[in-house]
Amino acid sequence: DVKVTQSSRYLVKRTGEKVFLECVQDMDHENMFWYRQDPGLGLRLIYFSYDVKMKEKGDIPEGYSVSREKKERFSLILESASTNQTSMYLCASSLWPPDRGGSYNEQFFGPGTRLTVL
Amino acid sequence: AQKVTQAQTEISVVEKEDVTLDCVYETRDTTYYLFWYKQPPSGELVFLIRRNSFDEQNEISGRYSWNFQKSTSSFNFTITASQVVDSAVYFCALSEGGVGGGSQGNLIFGKGTKLSVKP
Repeated sequence: DVKVTQSSRYLVKRTGEKVFLECVQDMDHENMFWYRQDPGLGLRLIYFSYDVKMKEKGDIPEGYSVSREKKERFSLILESASTNQTSMYLCASSLWPPDRGGSYNEQFFGPGTRLTVL
Repeated sequence: AQKVTQAQTEISVVEKEDVTLDCVYETRDTTYYLFWYKQPPSGELVFLIRRNSFDEQNEISGRYSWNFQKSTSSFNFTITASQVVDSAVYFCALSEGGVGGGSQGNLIFGKGTKLSVKP
């Protein structure tokens, strides 16, 4: 089974702190994604990566950066945390390109990190 | 521009009722994929189904069924004889383009429908 793990389920940080959220997948997936989830807004893509050291901005990259030094690990960094970054953060991974059968591969999600910035 | 609309924010039903969750999408691509995910209270999104734009067959899996209609750009999800364990937030999502497309597997999510099934 695909497994996506995130370093913490709950995290409390102070305004201005540098925050690292780690995500690891064990299925050799090329694609990895970071989303944030807020009530009434659904899931919004922050950044994604389709290869080691490659990254692309999603819909809401401001205030965030990412790092992918190894294929299995994708880190989300809040350089200077602010209260409006209090949210649920979800990591996902997927195979790319689609498998030989042409079937489009779904994203597999981690359990999420609920970050509170005080 | 691509968009997914789940007009129902919250639905509450009594156990054993049937319930349909609506999903309407917008895309200009002729090749696209639609997904449903379930997010139980534990928080982890669980994949339920994938459909590609060339396959309009409805699908049934146990108590779950999906109705894909390109003519109305809808991909609705029905739970028959709902159970308390079905209580969750359900997300519909869209991904555009096949291999070589620009999306690289990105998903556009609707805002979700929170389903509460009461005993």
